[in-house]
Amino acid sequence: SQTIHQWPATLVQPVGSPLSLECTVEGTSNPNLYWYRQAAGRGLQLLFYSVGIGQISSEVPQNLSASRPQDRQFILSSKKLLLSDSGFYLCAWSVGLNSGANVLTFGAGSRLTVL
Amino acid sequence: DQQVKQNSPSLSVQEGRISILNCDYTNSMFDYFLWYKKYPAEGPTFLISISSIKDKNEDGRFTVFLNKSAKHLSLHIVPSQPGDSAVYFCAAGVSDSGAGSYQLTFGKGTKLSVIP
Repeated sequence: SQTIHQWPATLVQPVGSPLSLECTVEGTSNPNLYWYRQAAGRGLQLLFYSVGIGQISSEVPQNLSASRPQDRQFILSSKKLLLSDSGFYLCAWSVGLNSGANVLTFGAGSRLTVL
Repeated sequence: DQQVKQNSPSLSVQEGRISILNCDYTNSMFDYFLWYKKYPAEGPTFLISISSIKDKNEDGRFTVFLNKSAKHLSLHIVPSQPGDSAVYFCAAGVSDSGAGSYQLTFGKGTKLSVIP
């Protein structure tokens, strides 16, 4: 069966520090991978998605970046965190279909607090 | 501009009664819809979906209704149980090929509290 792992679960970082959140998927190949953020009082906002190694699409311009160095690994990074980067970050995967309903499976999330 | 709206941030229901969570959308291109359930400090879990070619989909205690003309869908939970207490997100997508099919647009969520 497929599983998705995301870490760290909780992170407290000072403003201006770097960030690295990692996500891996097991039990499938060539998945679509996503990073979402849930900020306080807001819904789930799509940040990045990837349909293959090295292929990253950004949905929201900001100081975050994403990389996909391996088929089932997705990394969210920042060189300098802002206070507004605080939130609950969710990695997700879906089957790599060209059409049809796209059901996402989410990881457990990473709570980031920027102080 | 919010394309998927959940106008009720919270809902309280007595155990055993029906819970009705509502969702409205504006993008007429959306042709499939999903509901996710989320507990605190956890990722959302998929609950039920519906294609625009249907107006109802049922899975146990959960039923989703779709009214395309009104661009409205609802999730019915009956009977409601205390374990159903969670935040429920409505999501919508477009199933054609291309970049659009990879994206789901989520509402802000409705927090359901089922009172024992």
